[in-house]
Amino acid sequence: QKEVEQNSGPLSVPEGAIASLNCTYSDRVSQSFFWYRQYSGKSPELIMSIYSNGDKEDGRFTAQLNKASQYVSLLIRDSQPSDSATYLCAFDTGGFKTIFGAGTRLFVKA
Amino acid sequence: DAGVTQSPTHLIKTRGQQVTLRCSPKSGHDTVSWYQQALGQGPQFIFQYYEEEERQRGNFPDRFSGHQFPNYSSELNVNALLLGDSALYLCASSGGLAGAGGQFFGPGTRLTVL
Repeated sequence: QKEVEQNSGPLSVPEGAIASLNCTYSDRVSQSFFWYRQYSGKSPELIMSIYSNGDKEDGRFTAQLNKASQYVSLLIRDSQPSDSATYLCAFDTGGFKTIFGAGTRLFVKA
Repeated sequence: DAGVTQSPTHLIKTRGQQVTLRCSPKSGHDTVSWYQQALGQGPQFIFQYYEEEERQRGNFPDRFSGHQFPNYSSELNVNALLLGDSALYLCASSGGLAGAGGQFFGPGTRLTVL
């Protein structure tokens, strides 16, 4: 079983719609969870971090964490073409290591 | 405020050669992690340096080694290069405890092994 599972996509949504990205993880001791955005040919950029169960909102982005189900998601409201990128889910293990998923490609159609 | 910087941007080597990649962390950060990212994959953790010591290592062979200097900058060395080492090598910095608050990535070094 992979440590982090993400649907590779591509996920295609129309401009203005809500994009929903999902991630499951296998490490039950993880306490810190992150979403990174990576544009083609660029390096990952941190967009959200979440540490406790529930929702965390930052502008158009909402991260949702359910530790019991080992599930984290990212919602992007009012999606824009500039949101088209690969979204990487990541978590910190109990040590000093961060595990990344392979990413979900998102396309926002104008 | 300078972010994370890496050099060189691109590098072409042949099998069996050795390579050194360099990274300067974001101002105020003292922890540096190195990742290897193959095309279409997420970053794979190589190791992390803190206080000039390797604090944790991922599943990479001993051909991969590193160093952190007193000014927190870091180097990644890869010996006996293989074709499979071709990838984007990313350096990420963070402050305080590993991963706390997430990491900031440099632009990466694209390594091609022929």
